[in-house]
Amino acid sequence: AQTVTQSQPEMSVQEAETVTLSCTYDTSESNYYLFWYKQPPSRQMILVIRQEAYKQQNATENRFSVNFQKAAKSFSLKISDSQLGDTAMYFCAFMKGYSGAGSYQLTFGKGTKLSVIP
Amino acid sequence: DTAVSQTPKYLVTQMGNDKSIKCEQNLGHDTMYWYKQDSKKFLKIMFSYNNKELIINETVPNRFSPKSPDKAHLNLHINSLELGDSAVYFCASSPGLVEQFFGPGTRLTVL
Repeated sequence: AQTVTQSQPEMSVQEAETVTLSCTYDTSESNYYLFWYKQPPSRQMILVIRQEAYKQQNATENRFSVNFQKAAKSFSLKISDSQLGDTAMYFCAFMKGYSGAGSYQLTFGKGTKLSVIP
Repeated sequence: DTAVSQTPKYLVTQMGNDKSIKCEQNLGHDTMYWYKQDSKKFLKIMFSYNNKELIINETVPNRFSPKSPDKAHLNLHINSLELGDSAVYFCASSPGLVEQFFGPGTRLTVL
């Protein structure tokens, strides 16, 4: 079974600064996907960024980037130029590669609550 | 033009009652899911359906029964509600090994 660990229950960052959220995972799979989801106070789950394990290049989406270290099983999220709207719970999630139709379940970490301070 | 919708958004009920949560997606996805988020915000998969067929059934009490009348709908029926069932329930859908699209969640409170 896979496990996902987020060791920082809460973090805060000043507006316009940069913050990094940590995530480690444990798996024996060689083919998998990693995700960061954001859950603002509205409760909606929003995909922030996705990384395929077979890709060496780190994924980037505007102000969001990841540092994917496959050997270390580490997948951290960097948020640059933090904005007030980034205030949310951030969840790291793992998905196995193809293992049968419909078996695409996400295994989530416990989340990091990020507060952006004006 | 909501992609994944759930009804109701809030549900307050007494212990022992039976209730249902409905989920619909208009994205044409083959796979739908139910996740439970507990009071500590921990999210866990409950069920996965692919083309109306149950694929994943995690360790969930059999008081929970998913029903998929068609590919676009996945409802969750809960019998004999208990206090511990209080949580936010999320429906999601996906076309496969890519992003899962989540509904807005249903906050269930059992009194």
